[in-house]
Amino acid sequence: DAKTTQPNSMESNEEEPVHLPCNHSTISGTDYIHWYRQLPSQGPEYVIHGLTSNVNNRMASLAIAEDRKSSTLILHRATLRDAAVYYCILRGLLTTSGTYKYIFGTGTRLKVLA
Amino acid sequence: GAGVSQSPSNKVTEKGKDVELRCDPISGHTALYWYRQSLGQGLEFLIYFQGNSAPDKSGLPSDRFSAERTGGSVSTLTIQRTQQEDSAVYLCASSLGTTPLHFGNGTRLTVT
Repeated sequence: DAKTTQPNSMESNEEEPVHLPCNHSTISGTDYIHWYRQLPSQGPEYVIHGLTSNVNNRMASLAIAEDRKSSTLILHRATLRDAAVYYCILRGLLTTSGTYKYIFGTGTRLKVLA
Repeated sequence: GAGVSQSPSNKVTEKGKDVELRCDPISGHTALYWYRQSLGQGLEFLIYFQGNSAPDKSGLPSDRFSAERTGGSVSTLTIQRTQQEDSAVYLCASSLGTTPLHFGNGTRLTVT
């Protein structure tokens, strides 16, 4: 299973943009890049995903490097409610056994300062 | 239901006892996952069910752990002869096809 590498923690000031990096140098051509976040005492929640092109949704933007070996989750204006652990995950194509195995690392703990 | 439901939300048990953790996935979701999260750690994959296919049990840490999914819906994770190292939050997630995972809020298991 392809691995991802993220910084253990980051800090941001409220109302400022946040760029959360992820390295995935062993990514294969069919792996999708997914981001989830986990608020305190809750299960993870989906944020965004992409394959090659940059993606935007109401929560965030995902910038994917041209060689796909890294990506960046962008929160345009951090709020205190964005304080969470952010996970970058690679999801491969459905295998013949029907398995998608989402492998979560330890993620990046984002602290937002008021 | 509106989301993935897990019960109980908290469970305290004595070392050596068996425990059962329950997951009610979102109606219609064919895929169901169990993960374990120890304090301050990331999520550890345990087991995956997809429709009527044989489950992927490759993440189960020992033969004390088992899981079943009845009728393609509710799933039960059973831990026999619990040990203190089994203390963790057990998370369940479901999805349909390639849609994102939807997680429950987990069961916090404490083995004393």
